[in-house]
Amino acid sequence: DAKTTQPPSMDCAEGRAANLPCNHSTISGNEYVYWYRQIHSQGPQYIIHGLKNNETNEMASLIITEDRKSSTLILPHATLRDTAVYYCIVRDSLSGSARQLTFGSGTQLTVLP
Amino acid sequence: ETGVTQSPTHLIKTRGQQVTLRCSSQSGHNTVSWYQQALGQGPQFIFQYYREEENGRGNFPPRFSGLQFPNYSSELNVNALELDDSALYLCASRTGGREGQFFGPGTRLTVL
Repeated sequence: DAKTTQPPSMDCAEGRAANLPCNHSTISGNEYVYWYRQIHSQGPQYIIHGLKNNETNEMASLIITEDRKSSTLILPHATLRDTAVYYCIVRDSLSGSARQLTFGSGTQLTVLP
Repeated sequence: ETGVTQSPTHLIKTRGQQVTLRCSSQSGHNTVSWYQQALGQGPQFIFQYYREEENGRGNFPPRFSGLQFPNYSSELNVNALELDDSALYLCASRTGGREGQFFGPGTRLTVL
C-alpha cells in the first residue's frame, strides 16, 4: 500500500471549513483513498473513501487531484466534536486480499471555539 | 442495526498471563480485523478473519491468535503477556466490498 504524508496538527475555528491535506505521491491505479478519524479514547470512525472522483457524504467531502497524488478532506462546518486525529490511508481494494488498514500518525485537528 | 461491540472495556493482567478479548461484528459483516494501538500511535494491524479463516496477518508473533465464529463474532487471544502488550485493542468489521471498516470502542489492556 502507498505511503501517505499528513501534517501532524491543524487548528480550525468552529463553524469554518476544515481542510485536511494528504499526500500520496506513490499511489497506484487500483488504490483507493480512505479517511478515518479517531476521537480520543474511542475506536476509529470511517468517514469517506474515493478512487479518482470527488466524493461527498453526510460527514465530509473528499477532493482528489487529477493526478491522484494528493487529496483533501473537507469538513464544511467544523464543530467542537470534530476535534480528533484524522487518518488518510491508501489501500489496494481488490477483492480476495487481506485488506488491512495501515495507519500512519494522522493529523490532530483541534476545533477552537 | 447494532454496531461493533467489544468486551471487556478494560482489563488488567500480569506478565506471563493469558487474555481473551471478544468482539461482536456489525450485522451482515463477514470480515473482522484486529488492531493494537499503543499510546500515542496509530492502530497496527494484527490479523484478519474471513469466514472463520485467518486470511492476513501483520507483524505480530504467534502468541497472538484468533478465532471467528459462524455468527461472525470473534476472539483475540494473547498468551504469555508482556509489558509491551499494554495497549488499546480494536476490532473492526466489514462486508466483502470496498466500503470502510467499522470499529468497535476497543478494549484497554494493561499488563503489570
